[in-house]
Amino acid sequence: KQEVTQIPAALSVPEGENLVLNCSFTDSAIYNLQWFRQDPGKGLTSLLLIQSSQREQTSGRLNASLDKSSGRSTLYIAASQPGDSATYLCAVVYGGATNKLIFGTGTLLAVQP
Amino acid sequence: DTGVSQDPRHKITKRGQNVTFRCDPISEHNRLYWYRQTLGQGPEFLTYFQNEAQLEKSRLLSDRFSAERPKGSFSTLEIQRTEQGDSAMYLCASSSLSDEQFFGPGTRLTVL
Repeated sequence: KQEVTQIPAALSVPEGENLVLNCSFTDSAIYNLQWFRQDPGKGLTSLLLIQSSQREQTSGRLNASLDKSSGRSTLYIAASQPGDSATYLCAVVYGGATNKLIFGTGTLLAVQP
Repeated sequence: DTGVSQDPRHKITKRGQNVTFRCDPISEHNRLYWYRQTLGQGPEFLTYFQNEAQLEKSRLLSDRFSAERPKGSFSTLEIQRTEQGDSAMYLCASSSLSDEQFFGPGTRLTVL
C-alpha cells in the first residue's frame, strides 16, 4: 500500500528559528512530490513541487529536498515567522493516467512570537 | 489569473437531503480533481477529470456520489441521500501540463 507519513505531527518553535519538516513515503517509484500549506478551515496553498528527477527546489525561505532512494523529503523553513504558523502537508504522485495526490496527515506548526 | 473557486463555501443539510457543490478551475487547466478531507487528516482523492472525461473514481465515491464536468470547464459534485459520515471538507484542484495542483478554498459540508 502506498502511504505517506509526516513527522512530527505537531511542532512549536520560537520566532527566528530554522526548522525541518519530514515526509516519508513507502513506495520510492514516485512521479513527483508537492508540499502544501493549509491555514485553519481553508484550502491548500501550493508551496513547492519537486519532480522525481530533481533533488531540491527553493522558494524564498523554503527549501524542499527529495531523496527517492530512501523514500524521504524534507521541507526546510529558514528564519521562521509567526505568519508561518499553519499545517504543512506533503503529497506524492505515483504517475499513471491521473496524477492523483496521496497525502500525509500533516505537521501542525506553531511559531511563537 | 484567478484561482480555483468553489461554491458554496459552507453547506449545512439534514440527513437524507441531496447537495451539490460547484468548482470553477483555473482557466485553461484541463485536469480537475475532487478530494475529501476530514478533521485532522490529509485530503483523500475522490475523482479525476481530464477535460470533460471522468477518468478515475476512488472506491470512496459510493453510488450516492456523482460528479460531472460538462464541456470541460466547471465541475459539479452531487451527494444524494446525505449521511452524517459525509460531513467533511470537499476540495477541488486543477492542473495543467506542469503537474502542479492548485486548490480551491473548499466547501465545508455538515450533515445534521
